[in-house]
Amino acid sequence: DIQMTQSPSTLSASVGDRVTITCRASQSISTWLAWYQQKPGKAPKLLIYKASSLESGVPSRFSGSGSGTEFTLTISSLQPDDFATYYCQQYNSNSLLTFGGGTKVEIK
Amino acid sequence: EVQLVESGGGLVQPGGSLRLSCAASGFPFSSYWMNWVRQAPGKGLEWVANINQDGSEKYYVDSVKGRFTISRDNAKNSLYLQMSSLRVEDTAVYYCARDHSVPGVVFDSWGRGTLVTVSS
Repeated sequence: DIQMTQSPSTLSASVGDRVTITCRASQSISTWLAWYQQKPGKAPKLLIYKASSLESGVPSRFSGSGSGTEFTLTISSLQPDDFATYYCQQYNSNSLLTFGGGTKVEIK
Repeated sequence: EVQLVESGGGLVQPGGSLRLSCAASGFPFSSYWMNWVRQAPGKGLEWVANINQDGSEKYYVDSVKGRFTISRDNAKNSLYLQMSSLRVEDTAVYYCARDHSVPGVVFDSWGRGTLVTVSS
């Protein structure tokens, strides 16, 4: 199985800050990586797929990069609506999909 | 508008069974792979199972193989998850999620989830 490790697990930041979240895969997954945002009591929302493709309707302050085993999600200027938990997900194999453990972005 | 509405969750004893349903609308259901993803209370996301458009391909996470069965009825625009031999560790919110149309399995639409609690 491919293990996904996110860091940090919690991040404290202020509105306007540039925020970067890292996701590492236990083996190469090319660019088969997605990022989701989840708010308390809500379903996750797709932000990024194929490591760097922005989902329709997602603000351009969100961006993704990386390939192989190391990936990043960047929020260029944190907005009040962005305080949430973020998950990466690998889909190198369509029959064995795994998520990272999550990164909670909190208000500093 | 894409809508996915789960139902069927509840309290069940260890070893028991439960059938979850997901009613889909707003898109051509028979054209999409569909998935179940779960989230234990206060924990992260775990993909559970998926099924292709005509139901001929099904995949499961190892922890549910032999206990859970995913199925679909394209005439009713519905997805199902039959769960048996339930364990305490199966306690979670279960989400129905649609596969994006891009290559690979990416979840672009989600339901609100249904809570399954396995406890004596």
